[in-house]
Amino acid sequence: TQLLEQSPQFLSIQEGENLTVYCNSSSVFSSLQWYRQEPGEGPVLLVTVVTGGEVKKLKRLTFQFGDARKDSSLHITAAQPGDTGLYLCAGYNQGGKLIFGQGTELSVKP
Amino acid sequence: EPEVTQTPSHQVTQMGQEVILRCVPISNHLYFYWYRQILGQKVEFLVSFYNNEISEKSEIFDDQFSVERPDGSNFTLKIRSTKLEDSAMYFCASSVFGTRNEKLFFGSGTQLSVL
Repeated sequence: TQLLEQSPQFLSIQEGENLTVYCNSSSVFSSLQWYRQEPGEGPVLLVTVVTGGEVKKLKRLTFQFGDARKDSSLHITAAQPGDTGLYLCAGYNQGGKLIFGQGTELSVKP
Repeated sequence: EPEVTQTPSHQVTQMGQEVILRCVPISNHLYFYWYRQILGQKVEFLVSFYNNEISEKSEIFDDQFSVERPDGSNFTLKIRSTKLEDSAMYFCASSVFGTRNEKLFFGSGTQLSVL
């Protein structure tokens, strides 16, 4: 069974700090996706990383796919209160289903 | 940007009752999905649907669950006899081609509470 494990599960930081969220698996994924979910809303796709070693930037967010395509990280520079939310990594398993990690709950305090 | 819409946003029901959760996927999308998220747990795949048939389902999606596309716009999830453990946020999603790496568009969810 392909699983995605995220760490940390909870993160509370001050505005302006940097942070990194990790998504790990023992299995190879053809790609990994990062979603952000706000309370009362569904997940919204932030990025898809496809190539091993790939780095993608979205403003202050930097996403990296591991060389072996088993892990990914999300780094936020100078976090803002508006970054608060649940960050989910997801990947398509061998059966073609999109599966999710358990999420990282980020709280950025002003 | 086009949206997936779900109704109702909240549904409260008694154990043993049937519920139908409704979704309107994005109009040119061909693949539809239901996911659920129990409070504090991960988003879990339930079922995918294409061309009026279930294409994949998880072990959670047992005989008490069914999906239907009753007309050209709606996509429904029916739970025949609800249990307490069915309480969760249910998300509908859709995609254009159903391919790997493709973006899924999620609705805002229906919070189901079974009492």
